[in-house]
Amino acid sequence: AQKVTQAQTEISVVEKEDVTLDCVYETRDTTYYLFWYKQPPSGELVFLIRRNSFDEQNEISGRYSWNFQKSTSSFNFTITASQVVDSAVYFCALFGGATNKLIFGTGTLLAVQP
Amino acid sequence: GAVVSQHPSWVICKSGTSVKIECRSLDFQATTMFWYRQFPKQSLMLMATSNEGSKATYEQGVEKDKFLINHASLTLSTLTVTSAHPEDSSFYICSARPIGRSTYEQYFGPGTRLTVT
Repeated sequence: AQKVTQAQTEISVVEKEDVTLDCVYETRDTTYYLFWYKQPPSGELVFLIRRNSFDEQNEISGRYSWNFQKSTSSFNFTITASQVVDSAVYFCALFGGATNKLIFGTGTLLAVQP
Repeated sequence: GAVVSQHPSWVICKSGTSVKIECRSLDFQATTMFWYRQFPKQSLMLMATSNEGSKATYEQGVEKDKFLINHASLTLSTLTVTSAHPEDSSFYICSARPIGRSTYEQYFGPGTRLTVT
């Protein structure tokens, strides 16, 4: 079975703080893909990153960085120097080759206070 | 590129009526489209996979007679909520997989907020 766990339901930080959103996944597939999406109050999903199971390189994109560790089945997302515009719900998702379905975690609501 | 639109963006209907939601891929063709439902403060749950020219595949627990899906062309899939009830009020999001692209690749529409009174 495939599962994505985002244990942090809500996180509140003050602007300029760094924040890490946790994501732990379960799958029996050897080939799979992990995603992060941002959902602002408008509701539209914004794609942030995709990682395949064979690529454990960490990635940095501006203030965003991702840490993928197969040994712990985790794909964590860090926002450096958070800004109010980062306030949104963030979803981690898993796509497995066997099911061909995108499974979402429960999401983490990030509130960045000015 | 890879833009998906949904219409309407929001709709209010009375209990017992039916409402149709359209999902269009604007700049690509898609043999496969997906419909998700998201209740307030919850995650996205896949409802069904829509395949052009064939019947949709529904996830367990989703009533196929209540949520009618039609994928009549390579750029359009529709979801009709029949005999809607207040518990059907939700945010419905579609996504589309471009033809010839990897199976994991899908692009999401902006969503349709349905309120049943």
